[in-house]
Amino acid sequence: NAGVTQTPKFQVLKTGQSMTLQCAQDMNHNSMYWYRQDPGMGLRLIYYSASEGTTDKGEVPNGYNVSRLNKREFSLRLESAAPSQTSVYFCASRAGGRNEQFFGPGTRLTVL
Amino acid sequence: DQQVKQNSPSLSVQEGRISILNCDYTNSMFDYFLWYKKYPAEGPTFLISISSIKDKNEDGRFTVFLNKSAKHLSLHIVPSQPGDSAVYFCALGGGYNKLIFGAGTRLAVHP
Repeated sequence: NAGVTQTPKFQVLKTGQSMTLQCAQDMNHNSMYWYRQDPGMGLRLIYYSASEGTTDKGEVPNGYNVSRLNKREFSLRLESAAPSQTSVYFCASRAGGRNEQFFGPGTRLTVL
Repeated sequence: DQQVKQNSPSLSVQEGRISILNCDYTNSMFDYFLWYKKYPAEGPTFLISISSIKDKNEDGRFTVFLNKSAKHLSLHIVPSQPGDSAVYFCALGGGYNKLIFGAGTRLAVHP
């Protein structure tokens, strides 16, 4: 039981490049989330998916798109990376009827 | 406008003593409150939560207190251990189970 997995662990992009961050969970959770964490700040919600087939914007969605590929997988795409998107990105999932979210190990992204 | 604040960026405590981490919020709409612990280069790990209808929840060495009138949440760790050294985030939950996180408090437990 791996929990929540994220790939890649590290990535360096040039301004304007695109990439997709992958997230998968094996806990059969309905809801999945993408957060970013910047120095001195708490985690901020980018997008979430309450159930398979649905996605909604969070607090900081600009510059990102998401895809809930199936119940297990939720990807985050940067179409044209900007230095302001340099951050650590965390994916999380939550079981129905529970309040706590389970987090992956994170992806550290640097945009030059 | 920050909805949740952890006013102490860091806290240093001696092993065996009590650690008290605090969190203040501005909006009464939240249904539940959680604490997460985070080690470097890892994702946050859930510690303990409390519903808005309760004022205390205990789990082993960890106790969370909620004072709704003061809009204040605290986490007590007794006794503190060196392995508790980490960054602690409070998180507030409401509609669609979206969480709003504080900026975190770095706890250092020294022998």
